[in-house]
Amino acid sequence: DTAVSQTPKYLVTQMGNDKSIKCEQNLGHDTMYWYKQDSKKFLKIMFSYNNKELIINETVPNRFSPKSPDKAHLNLHINSLELGDSAVYFCASGRRSGITGELFFGEGSRLTVL
Amino acid sequence: AQSVTQLDSHVSVSEGTPVLLRCNYSSSYSPSLFWYVQHPNKGLQLLLKYTSAATLVKGINGFEAEFKKSETSFHLTKPSAHMSDAAEYFCVVSGGGGADGLTFGKGTHLIIQP
Repeated sequence: DTAVSQTPKYLVTQMGNDKSIKCEQNLGHDTMYWYKQDSKKFLKIMFSYNNKELIINETVPNRFSPKSPDKAHLNLHINSLELGDSAVYFCASGRRSGITGELFFGEGSRLTVL
Repeated sequence: AQSVTQLDSHVSVSEGTPVLLRCNYSSSYSPSLFWYVQHPNKGLQLLLKYTSAATLVKGINGFEAEFKKSETSFHLTKPSAHMSDAAEYFCVVSGGGGADGLTFGKGTHLIIQP
């Protein structure tokens, strides 16, 4: 059973389109995250949700809108895609309290904008 | 405030020789420290973690790391490299905010020569 699963694994689309990525975790964690990994492998946190409440919202264009219908799901919708949005997007889950700081990552969704 | 510096962007070793990936950190708190590994086209996986217990931490696949407070270092080592160790490695520091407060290093790409 996959702990953190995200779909789709690959997206190829044209500039200006809208796309969504879905994420689900079955670990019972209270917090979920979206990270963006660029072509140099640098990881940048985008959003964090704790029990469906937005906790972290880093400097991300408002074309990116996360939605958490329940604490096991966190989706990412991107409007009006731009070339610079091409990246790998990772969903992760963890516990906000305590000092564990251990995250469980999905396998990533590679977005290519043409 | 906290930060993490991975001193080498690329490390190349021969199969069967030791691996050393270097990481320095700074943190205003007593930090928790982690190493994550990312194999090609995969998500990140936790290798090992330090959370103020033993300073020498053993992880999966024969890796270990030593927390040295006086040197603010958390270097990752393995006695004998295997071809399957070729991957990207991330050093991560947490300042006590649980999974929310993680700062990722820029990654070290480990190359294993046959």
